[in-house]
Amino acid sequence: KAGVTQTPRYLIKTRGQQVTLSCSPISGHRSVSWYQQTPGQGLQFLFEYFSETQRNKGNFPGRFSGRQFSNSRSEMNVSTLELGDSALYLCASSDTGELFFGEGSRLTVL
Amino acid sequence: GDSVTQMEGPVTLSEEAFLTINCTYTATGYPSLFWYVQYPGEGLQLLLKATKADDKGSNKGFEATYRKETTSFHLEKGSVQVSDSAVYFCALSEDRDDKIIFGKGTRLHILP
Repeated sequence: KAGVTQTPRYLIKTRGQQVTLSCSPISGHRSVSWYQQTPGQGLQFLFEYFSETQRNKGNFPGRFSGRQFSNSRSEMNVSTLELGDSALYLCASSDTGELFFGEGSRLTVL
Repeated sequence: GDSVTQMEGPVTLSEEAFLTINCTYTATGYPSLFWYVQYPGEGLQLLLKATKADDKGSNKGFEATYRKETTSFHLEKGSVQVSDSAVYFCALSEDRDDKIIFGKGTRLHILP
């Protein structure tokens, strides 16, 4: 069974731009969660989607948004990028409560 | 709100040493507790979990016991190996909607 796939793995953007990250969950998993990982703040919960509905949301500004498609694939978008948005963005899928993580998308904002 | 506090790293040990990584939590209900591990360049993997008080989770020689009275879930291993070098995250989940709250992580270095 293929694991969680995140694309792109690495990307560089400049301040003010926007970025879209993609996550393909494990086949059959309907829940997808997103986390931001930084050296200073550690792992912070962004949001969770289940069957195309946002079920939970963390404490991030409205510049951070996401969606889930009918095939459970998910995307997250960050608009008007700031230097502080540089981080590893991790996606995780779940079917029974155990999270399975992808390798992450490393975003650098210059 | 809910939170997880774990010991700051890095922790450096020699191979075959005994390992303890402390973790305490704050929660309003009765959370499930987890330890995740992140090897270099990889995503997080579930190492072990416990869902109720006094449960002991174990995997790959690692153990942790859910202590409700001390709100703790310390990770232990009797004899570490170089391959255990990684970042370890303690985490909790209050409910079944897959929102997990993580500690800041403890980096472990094992010297041969």
